[in-house]
Amino acid sequence: QKEVEQNSGPLSVPEGAIASLNCTYSDRVSQSFFWYRQYSGKSPELIMSIYSNGDKEDGRFTAQLNKASQYVSLLIRDSQPSDSATYLCAVVMRGGAQKLVFGQGTRLTINP
Amino acid sequence: EAQVTQNPRYLITVTGKKLTVTCSQNMNHEYMSWYRQDPGLGLRQIYYSMNVEVTDKGDVPEGYKVSRKEKRNFPLILESPSPNQTSLYFCASSPAGGPSDTQYFGPGTRLTVL
Repeated sequence: QKEVEQNSGPLSVPEGAIASLNCTYSDRVSQSFFWYRQYSGKSPELIMSIYSNGDKEDGRFTAQLNKASQYVSLLIRDSQPSDSATYLCAVVMRGGAQKLVFGQGTRLTINP
Repeated sequence: EAQVTQNPRYLITVTGKKLTVTCSQNMNHEYMSWYRQDPGLGLRQIYYSMNVEVTDKGDVPEGYKVSRKEKRNFPLILESPSPNQTSLYFCASSPAGGPSDTQYFGPGTRLTVL
């Protein structure tokens, strides 16, 4: 099992709809979870971090964490064409040394 | 401007010719890291550094070396590059002494090894 797994997509969503991105992880004791957005040819940029079970909202973005199910998701409401990008889930894995492990990314396209 | 810089941005080289990719941050960050990004594989950590003179291997360290002599600089060295090291490389830094904080990424270095 991969340490961090995402649906690779591509995911296509009409403008104005809700885009839902999912991520599962293998380390039961992970405490830190991140969503990065990466536009084509650019570097990743952080859009959300979440550390506690439940929902965390920031503008049109909502991150959801369920540690019991080892599942983290990102919802984008009122999707805009500018949201078209690859979304990377990242999880800090515990163990000998903390390391940040990324999923393979989900490519999201918002159709006008 | 607070930033992470990498040089060069693009590099085409030949097998076996030693190269260094520089990384510098001006944010006084403790933690720095190198990643490579390949299609379908996402970002994979090569090496990281918790602080000056403290470095450790990530998931894919083979064929790479790093050093952290100063807080702001974290160069990536390929002693004898091979074609399987053709990739997009990102340097990143974060304020805390570990990865449980926002990672600020450099613009990337696209390396081709012939």
